Amino acid sequence: GENVEQHPSTLSVQEGDSAVIKCTYSDSASNYFPWYKQELGKGPQLIIDIRSNVGEKKDQRIAVTLNKTAKHFSLHITETQPEDSAVYFCAATRGDSSYKLIFGSGTRLLVRP
Amino acid sequence: GAGVSQSPRYKVAKRGQDVALRCDPISGHVSLFWYQQALGQGPEFLTYFQNEAQLDKSGLPSDRFFAERPEGSVSTLKIQRTQQEDSAVYLCASSLGGGAEQYFGPGTRLTVT
Repeated sequence: GENVEQHPSTLSVQEGDSAVIKCTYSDSASNYFPWYKQELGKGPQLIIDIRSNVGEKKDQRIAVTLNKTAKHFSLHITETQPEDSAVYFCAATRGDSSYKLIFGSGTRLLVRP
Repeated sequence: GAGVSQSPRYKVAKRGQDVALRCDPISGHVSLFWYQQALGQGPEFLTYFQNEAQLDKSGLPSDRFFAERPEGSVSTLKIQRTQQEDSAVYLCASSLGGGAEQYFGPGTRLTVT
């Protein structure tokens, strides 16, 4: 079945530096790739997403890139701030479903002041 | 505006008890999803509703798990004869349609003792 691998599992950066989280997926028919931020005790919050007909999408300090050939996608956060500290999850839809999200195992990001 | 709400936020059940978890989706959202999130893991799909119809229940772990959405709005996830392995956070998400962005609620943390 569909599998989503996420790396690294933990990431510590200095405030102001960039952070990059990478995910790979196995189902070449997957066509939707959201990223979620989850703070302690809260539900996942959608921060950015990309569909398979686009290679890159940007929203202020956050960007996502998609390489369909290599089946990987990445989250880039620039000018990190302490409030960016959280667990980030990537996800991909299964190729046979437009709605069923398969999540990665998460990246715990710590931004040091 | 109001997001997805879930109640209760925390539930402690003795093994063998039945529990019912409630989800209020964003108003106007046709699609509703339930996910299970084990500690330190990404959410895992349980079931999907479009309006009142349960279109996919492939992720429900056993026949002890039952979900309903009788009027196409509020949904209830019921777990009968709870077992320790049911301990997890149960997340509800809603979206405008099946392939649209999913917005999560805060989750219900279930602890089975």
